[in-house]
Amino acid sequence: EPEVTQTPSHQVTQMGQEVILRCVPISNHLYFYWYRQILGQKVEFLVSFYNNEISEKSEIFDDQFSVERPDGSNFTLKIRSTKLEDSAMYFCASSEKRDTVYEKLFFGSGTQLSVL
Amino acid sequence: RKEVEQDPGPFNVPEGATVAFNCTYSNSASQSFFWYRQDCRKEPKLLMSVYSSGNEDGRFTAQLNRASQYISLLIRDSKLSDSATYLCVVNLFNKFYFGSGTKLNVKP
Repeated sequence: EPEVTQTPSHQVTQMGQEVILRCVPISNHLYFYWYRQILGQKVEFLVSFYNNEISEKSEIFDDQFSVERPDGSNFTLKIRSTKLEDSAMYFCASSEKRDTVYEKLFFGSGTQLSVL
Repeated sequence: RKEVEQDPGPFNVPEGATVAFNCTYSNSASQSFFWYRQDCRKEPKLLMSVYSSGNEDGRFTAQLNRASQYISLLIRDSKLSDSATYLCVVNLFNKFYFGSGTKLNVKP
């Protein structure tokens, strides 16, 4: 079964450093998302991406964050100048299309980011 | 006000029990509804979509009440492997909003 893959599974960084989280969405999917989940809290939407541009973003997704699809398969989340409160599990998700109401999200296994 | 609200639990039930989870959503324009399952420190996985007429998948039954803005999930004949956190998810204008989840512990 096709799956969303994320690397690395764990990332430890120093406060103020930049990190790049990587995702390979399912190959025929067109819509890509980043979510995060702080330990013990709910899954929060960060950003959605379609046709090589951001389609929606949340209040969390400020200038510190950026996304990119550098080639035909990868989808990356960059966090510039990380803060302690950025420590969370970051999930990439993809969906096939958005013209049906019951479009489903498929999640990668996540990258646990720890900012020290 | 939260977009999606769930009872956090935990629900502690014996194997074989029937358990029901509820979820309410705040925006009447919400378009589609889902239950996801999340195991500890793992990614959410789709359990089932929730259709207006209600739907069943094996031991799992989902119901939607648009008038009350309420979604439910019923699990019959609980198994140990059902122990997880169940997330209610609502799609509003192509943004997926997650509830905080309801934790289920199925005991032998």
